[in-house]
Amino acid sequence: DGGITQSPKYLFRKEGQNVTLSCEQNLNHDAMYWYRQDPGQGLRLIYYSQIVNDFQKGDIAEGYSVSREKKESFPLTVTSAQKNPTAFYLCASTRDRRGNTIYFGEGSWLTVV
Amino acid sequence: QQPVQSPQAVILREGEDAVINCSSSKALYSVHWYRQKHGEAPVFLMILLKGGEQKGHDKISASFNEKKQQSSLYLTASQLSYSGTYFCGTEASNTGKLIFGQGTTLQVKP
Repeated sequence: DGGITQSPKYLFRKEGQNVTLSCEQNLNHDAMYWYRQDPGQGLRLIYYSQIVNDFQKGDIAEGYSVSREKKESFPLTVTSAQKNPTAFYLCASTRDRRGNTIYFGEGSWLTVV
Repeated sequence: QQPVQSPQAVILREGEDAVINCSSSKALYSVHWYRQKHGEAPVFLMILLKGGEQKGHDKISASFNEKKQQSSLYLTASQLSYSGTYFCGTEASNTGKLIFGQGTTLQVKP
């Protein structure tokens, strides 16, 4: 079945470490997104990409980095510069940018220990 | 830039109706509605494109007032399964950048 796969589901990070969250989709979607969700909060856009080898910053990009080398993959790196990284991270994709349905992965929980 | 949702929380009895509103300060190209259960990914409900259309399926419908940059989600004869947090996502122009509101928590009690 087609869908979006995020891994790992749960991740613990020590302060000062970089971690990478994986996001893979087999929907042949052009656009991919990363959102961050804090307890009781909405979804905040970190980065998005509408085409391979191109991506744009969202509202809270500081302390994060992404790459889009393949259409199906959009990994997110949480760097040590992100001071408060503990959150629920959601990856999403859509067929193209023209108001199409966005599909979400199951999410990754990141905790700093 | 973030759309504003109201109310922040709603408590209903089964069978009652609810309306959730979403307002933006920008001209909108599309509005998306999602429902999320705790710890799970948001689930798509519907999308409305500019043109002032109204959509619905089963007992959940939505409207989009392009002139007022507002959308409303209507839940009629609520069921226990409707409980969760509802998010509206807005696309200000044909950019693909989807920004979500802070969410409305809906609790349906027996």
